[in-house]
Amino acid sequence: LAKTTQPISMDSYEGQEVNITCSHNNIATNDYITWYQQFPSQGPRFIIQGYKTKVTNEVASLFIPADRKSSTLSLPRVSLSDTAVYYCLVGDINSGTSGTYKYIFGTGTRLKVLA
Amino acid sequence: ETGVTQSPTHLIKTRGQQVTLRCSSQSGHNTVSWYQQALGQGPQFIFQYYREEENGRGNFPPRFSGLQFPNYSSELNVNALELDDSALYLCASSLAGRSEQYFGPGTRLTVT
Repeated sequence: LAKTTQPISMDSYEGQEVNITCSHNNIATNDYITWYQQFPSQGPRFIIQGYKTKVTNEVASLFIPADRKSSTLSLPRVSLSDTAVYYCLVGDINSGTSGTYKYIFGTGTRLKVLA
Repeated sequence: ETGVTQSPTHLIKTRGQQVTLRCSSQSGHNTVSWYQQALGQGPQFIFQYYREEENGRGNFPPRFSGLQFPNYSSELNVNALELDDSALYLCASSLAGRSEQYFGPGTRLTVT
């Protein structure tokens, strides 16, 4: 499973766009990139997942360059409630019906949104 | 909020004791994974259960064991507790072959 590297922490202000970049130089052909959000004393929450180019949902956008060695999670117009730890994970989701997919979490990026 | 529930919420045990943590998966999800999260660290994969069998294991000793029941709920058992076992234990459910996992709120275990 590919290892990921993220900034340890970031600060932002309310209303700004936040971009968190993750490096995954050893990503394999079958690997997808997934981002999770975690608040204190809660389980991680799925944000977004992608394979290449750009993916957008109601919460965030995920930008993946052609070489797929990095990815950027973009949070538009953050609010105080977006203060959390954000994890980037890389792994093969095509594990068939055996359900062998498992996540390898890093230490994540601690985002602090200031008023 | 996901449909994954865990019990108990908090637990205090003494070194050398045994503990059982429980997880009810989200409706329809047949795969359950367990993670250990130490303070300030990311979750560490313990093992995964599918069709009542262990289906993948992380770097944890055999004193960490589990069960999955026909209704897909699951238990995590830890024997001979050590101080370093103090952590938040997270359960996550998913559909087999799907990567999106839904996490429960966790059980905070303190070993003294």
